[in-house]
Amino acid sequence: QVQLQESGPGLVKSSETLSLTCTVSGGSISSDWWTWIRQPPGKGLEWIAYMYYSGSTNYNPSLNSRATISIDTSKNQFSLKLISVIAADTAVYYCARGDYSDGFDIWGQGTMVTVSS
Amino acid sequence: QSALTQPPSASGSPGQSVTISCTGTSSDIGNYNFVSWYQQHPGTAPKLILYEVFKRPSGVPDRFSGSKSGNTASLTVSGLQAEDEADYYCTSYAGNNNYVFGTGTKVTVL
Repeated sequence: QVQLQESGPGLVKSSETLSLTCTVSGGSISSDWWTWIRQPPGKGLEWIAYMYYSGSTNYNPSLNSRATISIDTSKNQFSLKLISVIAADTAVYYCARGDYSDGFDIWGQGTMVTVSS
Repeated sequence: QSALTQPPSASGSPGQSVTISCTGTSSDIGNYNFVSWYQQHPGTAPKLILYEVFKRPSGVPDRFSGSKSGNTASLTVSGLQAEDEADYYCTSYAGNNNYVFGTGTKVTVL
């Protein structure tokens, strides 16, 4: 079955760029929608960005164009870059598969990213 | 867009039912039948339990049911079990390729 695994630095300095990768195993990334969602400590969920494998992308407007999602079909991975990070970007970051109609049906385990000053 | 509004907490005894509301606006819940619900146990990733308001993914017990009326969606957990104690989040499509999540509800099994 399809599994997702996030990877990337757990600590990022304020004003720098957060970069995460999600590796898809047990299936091909060349189908479906792929999403990044985050959860600040003790708080609720917030969607960041999602894209179709063919390249169509969509972003949460609240992030003010700081996020970029991309896909590498050759590696079966998709990635997130978040520029100019601030303390409020500290969160558990999840990658997930799915879209608004079928829901996010498969999730990675999540990776904690702390923004330090 | 603003987060969907959920009650912070809900509770029930084993075997009872608990219903969680998720209130949005005519721009999200009221305009689309794309509401999904997630269950999250502490320290774990959320799990999809309902999509398109009332549809259950394979493997989700039929104790979990969903409905929608106007701008409010609801999740009902019938026959509460200890393992149902978790946080629950709703989400809705909000148009213009945007989603919005709910504020989350902590369900306690007494």
